[in-house]
Amino acid sequence: SQTIHQWPATLVQPVGSPLSLECTVEGTSNPNLYWYRQAAGRGLQLLFYSVGIGQISSEVPQNLSASRPQDRQFILSSKKLLLSDSGFYLCAWGRGRSYEQYFGPGTRLTVT
Amino acid sequence: EDKVVQSPLSLVVHEGDTVTLNCSYEVTNFRSLLWYKQEKKAPTFLFMLTSSGIEKKSGRLSSILDKKELFSILNITATQTGDSAIYLCAVIPDNAGNMLTFGGGTRLMVKP
Repeated sequence: SQTIHQWPATLVQPVGSPLSLECTVEGTSNPNLYWYRQAAGRGLQLLFYSVGIGQISSEVPQNLSASRPQDRQFILSSKKLLLSDSGFYLCAWGRGRSYEQYFGPGTRLTVT
Repeated sequence: EDKVVQSPLSLVVHEGDTVTLNCSYEVTNFRSLLWYKQEKKAPTFLFMLTSSGIEKKSGRLSSILDKKELFSILNITATQTGDSAIYLCAVIPDNAGNMLTFGGGTRLMVKP
């Protein structure tokens, strides 16, 4: 069966510090991978998606970036965090033409 | 720009009540609509709707899509405290690969 992991679960970082959030998927190969951000109690905003190693598409301009160094690894980064980067970050994976996406447990980021 | 709007924003009911959650959308070349339930962390998949007028049902939950009027509803009958969650609606436009555009969510609280 497939599982998706994210870490860390929670993170408190000062403004201007770097960020690295990691997501890995087990039990499947060549998944589509997604990063979402969710403001408190609200819907999800798609940040990045990837259909393969090294292939990243960005949906919104921001100071965040994403990388996919391995087939089942997706990393969300920032060189300098802003207060507005606070939120709940969710990684998701999907298969090929299937529309369902399966979400990881999320990382709650607080920028102080 | 694709748009998904959910209503109400939040809802408080008592156990045993029936609730109806709404999701309206404006997308170019609609393909499918999905409903997710989000409790503490990761959203979990409920339904995918592609054809108009066909009800999807799972236990006390059911959903239907109206492609002419561009909306979907999610019904929950005989609500229980465990139904308390954020309910998310997402659409997939036909030209968007597997990218989901999410609505803002409806926060449902079921009181005993």
